Amino acid sequence: NAGVTQTPKFQVLKTGQSMTLQCAQDMNHEYMSWYRQDPGMGLRLIHYSVGAGITDQGEVPNGYNVSRSTTEDFPLRLLSAAPSQTSVYFCASSLLTSTGELFFGEGSRLTVL
Amino acid sequence: EDQVTQSPEALRLQEGESSSLNCSYTVSGLRGLFWYRQDPGKGPEFLFTLYSAGEEKEKERLKATLTKKESFLHITAPKPEDSATYLCAVGTAGNNRKLIWGLGTSLAVNP
Repeated sequence: NAGVTQTPKFQVLKTGQSMTLQCAQDMNHEYMSWYRQDPGMGLRLIHYSVGAGITDQGEVPNGYNVSRSTTEDFPLRLLSAAPSQTSVYFCASSLLTSTGELFFGEGSRLTVL
Repeated sequence: EDQVTQSPEALRLQEGESSSLNCSYTVSGLRGLFWYRQDPGKGPEFLFTLYSAGEEKEKERLKATLTKKESFLHITAPKPEDSATYLCAVGTAGNNRKLIWGLGTSLAVNP
């Protein structure tokens, strides 16, 4: 019973590099989202999706891209990493009818030098 | 502006010493208030959903209550394993796909 799986758990990038954070869920949830968590800022929504082929922006979408080609997967792409993107990233999913009852992954800690 | 404020920021209790955490909110149309627990290095774990004033939910030593302006998470006779950060979030009528999160209360329970 895997739930929400994120990879990698840790990543160090240099400024300007690109990378993809992977997220997969096996609960057949329609809703998936990406958050970043920073000290003193709390959880901030980056992008979310309400189903395959449908994505929308959250509070802090700049510098990030997402796509949802399947129900299970929701990757987050950093186009050109900046030190301001150093953070812990969480993927979360839920049934569409209860988008406040989120299942979170373990997180991906990203450092941009 | 929609806002969620949690207090205190940090709380240290002795084992068995009951207390309450507060989550106050100002939103245009509440569509659910959600409590989560987050352990260090882990993702938040869902605890409770409350939808209307007067509603209460319980799980082991935790009880969540809701009024029109705030929610309380009561912890009765806490144990060291209850140590964690407790997060509160609300859904609003404006967009129920986006939650508004508080900054959390860091709880430490000493044996």
